[in-house]
Amino acid sequence: DAKTTQPNSMESNEEEPVHLPCNHSTISGTDYIHWYRQLPSQGPEYVIHGLTSNVNNRMASLAIAEDRKSSTLILHRATLRDAAVYYCILRAHNYGQNFVFGPGTRLSVLP
Amino acid sequence: KAGVTQTPRYLIKTRGQQVTLSCSPISGHRSVSWYQQTPGQGLQFLFEYFSETQRNKGNFPGRFSGRQFSNSRSEMNVSTLELGDSALYLCASSLVRQGPEAFFGQGTRLTVV
Repeated sequence: DAKTTQPNSMESNEEEPVHLPCNHSTISGTDYIHWYRQLPSQGPEYVIHGLTSNVNNRMASLAIAEDRKSSTLILHRATLRDAAVYYCILRAHNYGQNFVFGPGTRLSVLP
Repeated sequence: KAGVTQTPRYLIKTRGQQVTLSCSPISGHRSVSWYQQTPGQGLQFLFEYFSETQRNKGNFPGRFSGRQFSNSRSEMNVSTLELGDSALYLCASSLVRQGPEAFFGQGTRLTVV
């Protein structure tokens, strides 16, 4: 599985947008970019995934660079509930590929 | 609909004992994966079950095993427990094998003393 690089931690103010970066310079053409987050005392939670085009859902937006070597998870308006560890994971969509979690980015949201 | 249910939530065992953890996936989901989470190693893949067959296995010793039943419920077993097996064990279910959207349970916190 291709590796990703994320900042260890980030801070944001409540009600402001948050941009969480992820570098994946060795991504292959069949790798999808997934984002999961893990709130305190919870299991990981799916946030969003994409291949080449930017993606939006009710939780967040995923902006993918044209060369696909980096991506950014965008939380449009951070709330205290968004404080979590965010994982950026690459995975090919052929069956049998498990998720390989890195250390992720710990996001703190300040009131 | 109900989420992924893991039981028990907390467990304390003694070194050398064995333990069985249970996972009930979301109704209709046939793929169940297990992960171990520790402060030192983070989240690590243990194994995946689909249609009652183990389809994929992580780099863990043979003391770690599992099975899946016809109703997709899964159990994992750890024999001859070691102190280092203390961890949060997470189960994830998805509609298809290793689907993009996996739903995780809250986990079972195992402490080995």
